Amino acid sequence: EDQVTQSPEALRLQEGESSSLNCSYTVSGLRGLFWYRQDPGKGPEFLFTLYSAGEEKEKERLKATLTKKESFLHITAPKPEDSATYLCAVQANYGQNFVFGPGTRLSVLP
Amino acid sequence: DSGVTQTPKHLITATGQRVTLRCSPRSGDLSVYWYQQSLDQGLQFLIHYYNGEERAKGNILERFSAQQFPDLHSELNLSSLELGDSALYFCASRGAGANYGYTFGSGTRLTVV
Repeated sequence: EDQVTQSPEALRLQEGESSSLNCSYTVSGLRGLFWYRQDPGKGPEFLFTLYSAGEEKEKERLKATLTKKESFLHITAPKPEDSATYLCAVQANYGQNFVFGPGTRLSVLP
Repeated sequence: DSGVTQTPKHLITATGQRVTLRCSPRSGDLSVYWYQQSLDQGLQFLIHYYNGEERAKGNILERFSAQQFPDLHSELNLSSLELGDSALYFCASRGAGANYGYTFGSGTRLTVV
């Protein structure tokens, strides 16, 4: 069974304090790994897709990386507006639906 | 605006009742996915439709059903509602290119009282 875990469950940072979120996955053949941001009461918003180990993607203060077993979302010099829940999801080669992790709730304090 | 439209935004109903949630995918997207999000379960896959045909089922209860119409909008029907069905229900659509993953709607918050 495909599984996704994320750590930490919650993270509080001071503005400007860089950190990383972890997504560990077990899947029978990875077609893609996806990162989403979700604000309270809203739908998840797409951030990145990663397809193969060693791949990296960047967007503003966010950088996502992928290995064979996990992905990291690095947040450099975060701002309060980066506060949200960050979700990781995987799609297996044989399936169309995504399996989501439980998310990391990030709070960035001014 | 993501381009995926869900109605209604909020729904309050009593136990035992039946409700219908509606989703219009982004223009041109043939796939519609339904997910349930509750506080203790995270995002759980319910069902996937592609161009009117059911493609995959996840942890969808027998009391729940869905369909996708010729104009590609989809409806999720929830019946014999229980308190535990209270959750956010999201619809997502996806185009042919895999690069952008799903595009989610803003969700329907269902409260069963």
